[in-house]
Amino acid sequence: AQSVTQPDIHITVSEGASLELRCNYSYGATPYLFWYVQSPGQGLQLLLKYFSGDTLVQGIKGFEAEFKRSQSSFNLRKPSVHWSDAAEYFCAVGAPLTGGGNKLTFGTGTQLKVEL
Amino acid sequence: DGGITQSPKYLFRKEGQNVTLSCEQNLNHDAMYWYRQDPGQGLRLIYYSQIVNDFQKGDIAEGYSVSREKKESFPLTVTSAQKNPTAFYLCASTRGRGETQYFGPGTRLLVL
Repeated sequence: AQSVTQPDIHITVSEGASLELRCNYSYGATPYLFWYVQSPGQGLQLLLKYFSGDTLVQGIKGFEAEFKRSQSSFNLRKPSVHWSDAAEYFCAVGAPLTGGGNKLTFGTGTQLKVEL
Repeated sequence: DGGITQSPKYLFRKEGQNVTLSCEQNLNHDAMYWYRQDPGQGLRLIYYSQIVNDFQKGDIAEGYSVSREKKESFPLTVTSAQKNPTAFYLCASTRGRGETQYFGPGTRLLVL
């Protein structure tokens, strides 16, 4: 069965500082990997995804993530954090379903706080 | 604009009552999903549907029921058998196999 671990429950960074959120996954085949962001009381917004190809993927809002198969990791990075990036971030691994769609397994999330 | 809508934003349930959460999408997506979110636990899959008139249980289906009579709609009923229904419920949809899931804004269910 697939699983996702986000080891950091809370992270605090200063505005303008760099950010790295960790994600480790367990999956038997080549995974589909996602990062989503959630503001309080809102739905999830897709930041970026990895399906295949280039292991460094670019997303919205200046985020990027690198797929490292040898480490089973898909860490999210941003060179300079803005106060508006404060939110909860979820990593997910997806397994295609026979018949269409995919099953996502989510990590427990990392709450990001940005200090001004 | 295309998207996923969920209603209501807040829902209150009395003991022993069934309540239904609405999820509608105009993205022409084939697959739809329901997730439950609790603090510190991430999202957990309740039910999913890949085509009209067909649906499958997810990881935590007990106490919930769904229907898929139309491609655009996938309502979730929280039955009285669900003893701990207080949570944030999220609906999602995808176009096809392996595709990205897009999420609605969610419904918060509270017990009176």
